[in-house]
Amino acid sequence: GAGVSQSPSNKVTEKGKDVELRCDPISGHTALYWYRQSLGQGLEFLIYFQGNSAPDKSGLPSDRFSAERTGGSVSTLTIQRTQQEDSAVYLCASSLARKGLNFGPGTRLTVL
Amino acid sequence: QQQVKQSPQSLIVQKGGISIINCAYENTAFDYFPWYQQFPGKGPALLIAIRPDVSEKKEGRFTISFNKSAKQFSLHIMDSQPGDSATYFCAASNGILTGGGNKLTFGTGTQLKVEL
Repeated sequence: GAGVSQSPSNKVTEKGKDVELRCDPISGHTALYWYRQSLGQGLEFLIYFQGNSAPDKSGLPSDRFSAERTGGSVSTLTIQRTQQEDSAVYLCASSLARKGLNFGPGTRLTVL
Repeated sequence: QQQVKQSPQSLIVQKGGISIINCAYENTAFDYFPWYQQFPGKGPALLIAIRPDVSEKKEGRFTISFNKSAKQFSLHIMDSQPGDSATYFCAASNGILTGGGNKLTFGTGTQLKVEL
């Protein structure tokens, strides 16, 4: 079946602009996660959704970052007033309860 | 504070050899330990995972060894192949058994290269 999809695959933006990153999870997966992967680094947790609610948003690095999920499906990660340190690969994952995470291919964000 | 420490950072193994990657954790509440494999330009893919009630799990050429008292776990890739060349991440979480979120804490990754 179809896996997790993310769009765009690449995004280049100028410092100070807002960006929206989209995630389409596997159908039926109730849990959705956003992670960030910087060059040569591990994966950094950002936020977790169960259905449409976000019981854990402890990893969001600043109030410039926000995320929402609608209809228990699609999620959007928004970064306002982007900074160069926001450049990274943003990964989305989904899962069923008590199962492993299925990651999408990621969105590579470059802030000039 | 890094909760999952992974080593080595990079590893070169000859074809047919054994690749060993080690991880150590600090949080004794962790109860789920997966390994992920990532190829360039792709998202990480779940390779194999273990719960703390067993000391070893084997799937094909991949084996996880788990030492609860030492708070360490490792991935062994037997008969390593060039197609195994990728970045490997260990991870840990404490949500899998409670039915809650499976929030993973990742190690920093190991770049494995298997040479002919």
